[in-house]
Amino acid sequence: QVQLVESGGGVVQPGRSLRLSCAASGFIFNNYGMHWVRQAPGKGLEWVSVIWYDGSNKYYADSVKGRFTISRDNSKNTLYLQMNSLRAEDTAVYYCARDFGVYGSHFDYWGQGTLVTVSS
Amino acid sequence: DIQMTQSPSTLSASVGDRVTITCRASQSISNWLAWYQQKPGKAPKVLIYKASSLESGVPSRFSGGGSGTEFTLTISSLQPDDFATYYCQHYNSYPLTFGGGTKVEIK
Repeated sequence: QVQLVESGGGVVQPGRSLRLSCAASGFIFNNYGMHWVRQAPGKGLEWVSVIWYDGSNKYYADSVKGRFTISRDNSKNTLYLQMNSLRAEDTAVYYCARDFGVYGSHFDYWGQGTLVTVSS
Repeated sequence: DIQMTQSPSTLSASVGDRVTITCRASQSISNWLAWYQQKPGKAPKVLIYKASSLESGVPSRFSGGGSGTEFTLTISSLQPDDFATYYCQHYNSYPLTFGGGTKVEIK
């Protein structure tokens, strides 16, 4: 069965960096685009970034552009999110999600999420 | 960027009620729209994709409709398990965006 397991969350000071990972199993990872979606405490869902199945294209929300970098290692079935210059407003649960297709579709599987707290 | 506006933001209803949630896009998105259900402390779960296609395993009391800029999610007979927050999301172009959510509460 499809499983997505995020890790790497924690408490970090403003301006510092953090790298999230999402370990995928139960499907052919390099056939699917992958996304990061976040949810601030008590708030709605915010799409963060996408990477195509082969890593050839990446897109970002304006709120993270220039600070966050999405990547993937298809040999390790793992998705990453490198988060630099973190701000208080980046505090959220970060979910990885599988794209139904390869170029951008709905999200058919989600991980359980990892909490990132940016605080001094 | 395409903005997604959901209404209402909160909905109070009883078991057995027919419930409709509306989602409006700031420009045409054809039928590139999905609906998700989220319960507290859990990841969202897709219910409907491509505006009206029911995800496998989702009860048939859920249905989606619309195209262009106006979309609806209807629950034909609300069940206890359906009290949750619902989000629409477009995937017409990047950046993808979600609606603000509709919380369905027990009346």
